[in-house]
Amino acid sequence: DIQMTQSPSSLSASVGDRVTITCRASQGIRSDLGWFQQKPGKAPKRLIYAASSLQGGVPSRFSGSGSGTEFTLTISSLQPEDFATYYCLQHYTFPYTFGQGTKLEI
Amino acid sequence: QVQLVQSGAEVKRPGASVKVSCKASGYTFSDYYLYWVRQAPGQGLEWMGAINPSGLITTTAQKFQGRVSMTRDTSTSTVYMELSSLRSEDTAVYYCTRLDSWGQGTLVTVSS
Repeated sequence: DIQMTQSPSSLSASVGDRVTITCRASQGIRSDLGWFQQKPGKAPKRLIYAASSLQGGVPSRFSGSGSGTEFTLTISSLQPEDFATYYCLQHYTFPYTFGQGTKLEI
Repeated sequence: QVQLVQSGAEVKRPGASVKVSCKASGYTFSDYYLYWVRQAPGQGLEWMGAINPSGLITTTAQKFQGRVSMTRDTSTSTVYMELSSLRSEDTAVYYCTRLDSWGQGTLVTVSS
């Protein structure tokens, strides 16, 4: 199975900050990676697909980059509604695997 | 718009089985894989398996092999996930997802 190592596991930040979350795959996954946001008690929501494509309706302050084994999610200027938990997911091969999650806190 | 609507919460005894349904609408059902993901209380997301558009091919994470069955009914645009031999560690919210759309989740509680 492909292991997805996500860092950091938690992150304290302030409104207006620029933050970056990283996922590293244990083997190359091309650009077959998505980023998801989850708020407490809610289903996850996909923000980024194919490593760098913005899901429709997602604010442009979210961006993704990377390919192969190293990927990043960047939020350019944190807004109050961005405080949530973020996950990466590789869908290059079965079984798909999630990163451990990054809890973004004030 | 795409909607995935799941069945309601369940409480089960250890050793029992649970079957969760997920009804799709707003798109051509037979065009997409659907996936099952679960989340134990306070934990991260865990990918369980996938069912292909025809329903003839399923793929399951090794952890669940032998205990999970995924099926789909194209006549009602519904997929099902049945988990057997339940134990307390299976207490979780179970989601069906197309990745770009998610069901609302189904809480399954396993308790004696």
